[in-house]
Parts: sequence; C-alpha cells; structure tokens
Amino acid sequence: SQTIHQWPATLVQPVGSPLSLECTVEGTSNPNLYWYRQAAGRGLQLLFYSVGIGQISSEVPQNLSASRPQDRQFILSSKKLLLSDSGFYLCAWWFYGGSNTEAFFGQGTRLTVV
Amino acid sequence: AQSVTQPDIHITVSEGASLELRCNYSYGATPYLFWYVQSPGQGLQLLLKYFSGDTLVQGIKGFEAEFKRSQSSFNLRKPSVHWSDAAEYFCAVVTYNQGGKLIFGQGTELSVKP
Repeated sequence: SQTIHQWPATLVQPVGSPLSLECTVEGTSNPNLYWYRQAAGRGLQLLFYSVGIGQISSEVPQNLSASRPQDRQFILSSKKLLLSDSGFYLCAWWFYGGSNTEAFFGQGTRLTVV
Repeated sequence: AQSVTQPDIHITVSEGASLELRCNYSYGATPYLFWYVQSPGQGLQLLLKYFSGDTLVQGIKGFEAEFKRSQSSFNLRKPSVHWSDAAEYFCAVVTYNQGGKLIFGQGTELSVKP
C-alpha cells in the first residue's frame, strides 16, 4: 500500500538557523511530490512540486528550496530561517489513475521559528 | 493560471441545520476535484472526489458535492450538520497538464452551534 512519511513532526528553530524537512514515499514509483505550507488562516499554499528526480518547480518566491535526490524522497530546506517561515508544512503525492486518482498526505511538520 | 476559490472564510451553522460550502475553480478543461476536511491538529482527510460521470458525488460522513460545469463550481453539502463536523474544509483541484499540480482553495472554517 502507498504510504508517505514526513519528519520531524514538530520543530522549533532559531532565526538564522538552517532547515531540512524530509518526506519519503513508499508503495509507488515516480510519484508527483508536493510541499505545502499552511499558515494560520491562510489555507494550503503550494510551495514546490516535483515530477521526477532533480525536477523542481517553485510556485512562490521565498526563503526556502526543495530537492529531490531520489525518486521517492523530497526535501524542503532553508539556509537561514526567518520568523515568517513559521507554519505547518505538509508533504503530499498524488496518484493519477482515472477514477482512482487520489492524493496522499504526510502528517505534517509544525515549524516554529523563534 | 489554474485556481480554486472558496469565497467563505468562516461559516457558522446550528447543529441539525443544512450546510453548503462553496468552491469555484478556474481551469480550461474538466479537472479532478476534491474536498478534504482537517480537524484541529489533524492531517487532511478525503471526503469525496469527482472525475467524470454523475455530477452529484457522495462522500463519507454524509457529505455530497455537485459539479456544475456551467458555473465552474463544486459545492459541498450536508443535509444535517453534527457538532463533530466542526473543522476546516478544503476544496482542491488536480490539473493534469504540466505534470499535474494539486491546488487548494483557501479553506472554509466551519463552526457548529449547539
């Protein structure tokens, strides 16, 4: 079965520190992978998506970057965190299969930048 | 560009009353449409989805949604709301060009009065 793992679940980081959030998928190959951020009262904002290894599309200019070093691994990074990077980060992938098309989500990472 | 709009940021209904949450999308062809629910501190749960065929789709927890192509809408309904339905609801669309992007609306927070 398809599963998605995201860690850590919570993170408190000081301003200016680096960030690395990891997401891995099991039970599928060559998935479309996504990183979203959910800030309070602002819904789910698509940050990055990837359709394959090394292929990253950025949706919004920001202090973050993403990488896909392996087919089922998607990493969200920052060299220097800002206070505005605080939020809830979700990794997702979706399976395109006609009527079976569905998206799967990680449990999310609550990031607080202090 | 493709987009999803949920016009209502916050809705309050009385327990037992009917509910309709609005969702409008902008896309050149018929997209895949989803409704998700997020309870406080929880991840996203799929309520229902639409791909083709019958424009009225049934989901879990007594929810249904109707796809109206002429109005580019996919509104979520429930005939009688329960207190446990209080949560945030997200409409989402998958665009299957450009490798497919899963885009969410801003979300509608539902409060239920006893």
